[in-house]
Amino acid sequence: DAGVIQSPRHEVTEMGQEVTLRCKPISGHDYLFWYRQTMMRGLELLIYFNNNVPIDDSGMPEDRFSAKMPNASFSTLKIQPSEPRDSAVYFCASSLGNGYTFGSGTRLTVV
Amino acid sequence: LAKTTQPISMDSYEGQEVNITCSHNNIATNDYITWYQQFPSQGPRFIIQGYKTKVTNEVASLFIPADRKSSTLSLPRVSLSDTAVYYCLVDSEGGSTLGRLYFGRGTQLTVWP
Repeated sequence: DAGVIQSPRHEVTEMGQEVTLRCKPISGHDYLFWYRQTMMRGLELLIYFNNNVPIDDSGMPEDRFSAKMPNASFSTLKIQPSEPRDSAVYFCASSLGNGYTFGSGTRLTVV
Repeated sequence: LAKTTQPISMDSYEGQEVNITCSHNNIATNDYITWYQQFPSQGPRFIIQGYKTKVTNEVASLFIPADRKSSTLSLPRVSLSDTAVYYCLVDSEGGSTLGRLYFGRGTQLTVWP
């Protein structure tokens, strides 16, 4: 198994642009999570899905952030418009219900 | 939802045993204690989980006293490659609190030569 796959690994964009992060969970895992990690705030849960349905999005910072999971093998996290304070490492993780497997993350820099 | 308290940072030398203690005073009866390890530029990875007493695997040991209000991750004979952030989490196996796990800031362990 290739594990949780995230793309791109690095993204540099200008303020105001739309950014889309992608995640392919481990096949068979029915939970998918999006986390954000910064030095100041540590690892924060943004949203998670169960069987492709969003369960808890209370961690999404504001309406500029949206996440979708159109099928069991793909999810996106979109930021529109992006701002410098969105700069962070964004992790996707998947699970069968006990224990997480994380991807390698996407380092987003908004200039 | 039980939160955890652990030291911000620890230092050690190669070959020493490292013990990282985590406090979880509000742990519930059906909660498990799980530790994750995160290397720079990587996502956290599961290293060990336990409910009570002692659990050991090829990476670490986890000691949990009878009252379960704390736990200690023990890394035997650390090497430079054990330098990482270690997170202690409390969660209910089976996923009832899954998704609301609190990672916090973790403990930055630095191993020196």
